[in-house]
Amino acid sequence: DIQMTQSPSSLSASVGDRVTITCRASQSISSNLNWYQQKPGKAPKVLIYAASSLQSGVPSRFSGGGSGTDFTLTISSLQPEDFATYYCQESYNTPTLTFGGGTKVEIK
Amino acid sequence: QVLLQESGPGLVKPSATLSLTCGVSDYSISSGYYWVWIRQPPGKGLEWVGSIYHSGTTYYNPSLKSRVTISVDTSKNRFSLKVNSVNAADSAVYYCARLNCTGGCCYPDYWGQGTLVTVSS
Repeated sequence: DIQMTQSPSSLSASVGDRVTITCRASQSISSNLNWYQQKPGKAPKVLIYAASSLQSGVPSRFSGGGSGTDFTLTISSLQPEDFATYYCQESYNTPTLTFGGGTKVEIK
Repeated sequence: QVLLQESGPGLVKPSATLSLTCGVSDYSISSGYYWVWIRQPPGKGLEWVGSIYHSGTTYYNPSLKSRVTISVDTSKNRFSLKVNSVNAADSAVYYCARLNCTGGCCYPDYWGQGTLVTVSS
């Protein structure tokens, strides 16, 4: 089974900060990596798919990178509405899925 | 816009069977895509439960496989989840979603609002 490890598990940042979250796969997953944002009481929302493709309607301050085992989600300038929990998810063995443990982004 | 809505009991007794249904609107399940169940225990992360194709082909999380059954009813445009022999660890918000596979990468793009199921006597 593929394991996904996210870091950090939480971070504190200020509005306007550049924030980077990492996700590491236990084996190579090519570019089969997606990123989600989840706010309390809501379903997750996809931000980035296939490692670096921005989902329609998602602000361009969100970007994804990486391939193989190491991936990043970057928020170039953190906005008040970006305080949420972020998850990575692999789909190398489609249609089975594995999620990372999550990164909670809090206000500093 | 594809709409998904989970329905089912919010309280299930230990050792009983959890049963949920996901109704799909504005898209025919028979047209394609995989359909998935994902759960999230209170205050914890997301866990994939299983996936089903409109043909009925299923894939389950190995950690749950012996207790989980997912089925599809194309005539009613819905799919269902059963988890047998539940315990407190099965208490979670259960989401249904459509799995979009683009360029070989698959991700849930449309989600239901989620339904909280509590296992308690």
